[in-house]
Amino acid sequence: EADIYQTPRYLVIGTGKKITLECSQTMGHDKMYWYQQDPGMELHLIHYSYGVNSTEKGDLSSESTVSRIRTEHFPLTLESARPSHTSQYLCASSPSLKRGYNTGELFFGEGSRLTVL
Amino acid sequence: AQSVTQLGSHVSVSEGALVLLRCNYSSSVPPYLFWYVQYPNQGLQLLLKYTTGATLVKGINGFEAEFKKSETSFHLTKPSAHMSDAAEYFCAVSLARQGAQKLVFGQGTRLTINP
Repeated sequence: EADIYQTPRYLVIGTGKKITLECSQTMGHDKMYWYQQDPGMELHLIHYSYGVNSTEKGDLSSESTVSRIRTEHFPLTLESARPSHTSQYLCASSPSLKRGYNTGELFFGEGSRLTVL
Repeated sequence: AQSVTQLGSHVSVSEGALVLLRCNYSSSVPPYLFWYVQYPNQGLQLLLKYTTGATLVKGINGFEAEFKKSETSFHLTKPSAHMSDAAEYFCAVSLARQGAQKLVFGQGTRLTINP
């Protein structure tokens, strides 16, 4: 059973609308991530967070923004959606070990599939 | 920078046949390596991972992978394919030992199982 939840699972909206994709995890993980998955399946990191009040840009430039006010919550926002934003967005989290290292495993949510008309 | 190449965007095998999904990586330091599976309309689920120690790693659903440093490979295998194995498979690499764990994914391989 998943301990990381994404809502909505599917969203179809018109151009120019503001949208927020929600991501919550109940595992107490410090680190959280957003990946964008194009129709061709490849995944690209667009945002990540080390912990509360920490956000960083990923390897793929994105017009979206994120916030991390609470450990368990990492929402992604698009202020003005465009058809080029149509994609699947996957949220993930990972734990920290005592020494600050981790084994690398990411735990993924089921994804939010966004379609912008 | 690290990178991952998965050979073959589509692989098709018969039920009961051997499954072999190829993954090669590039890395300047010993990597952590992962295989994830994605079923339709779902997120990614970890199949197995290599961090240190034994180079032959066993995962869930009968899958295993072998880390071969000399070949920079981490191929995924399963002796006998089952219809339920049909899915997308992603190989990933990470060098991070501290801080955020940023995985770099391959482009994915779609596995089809023929009856």
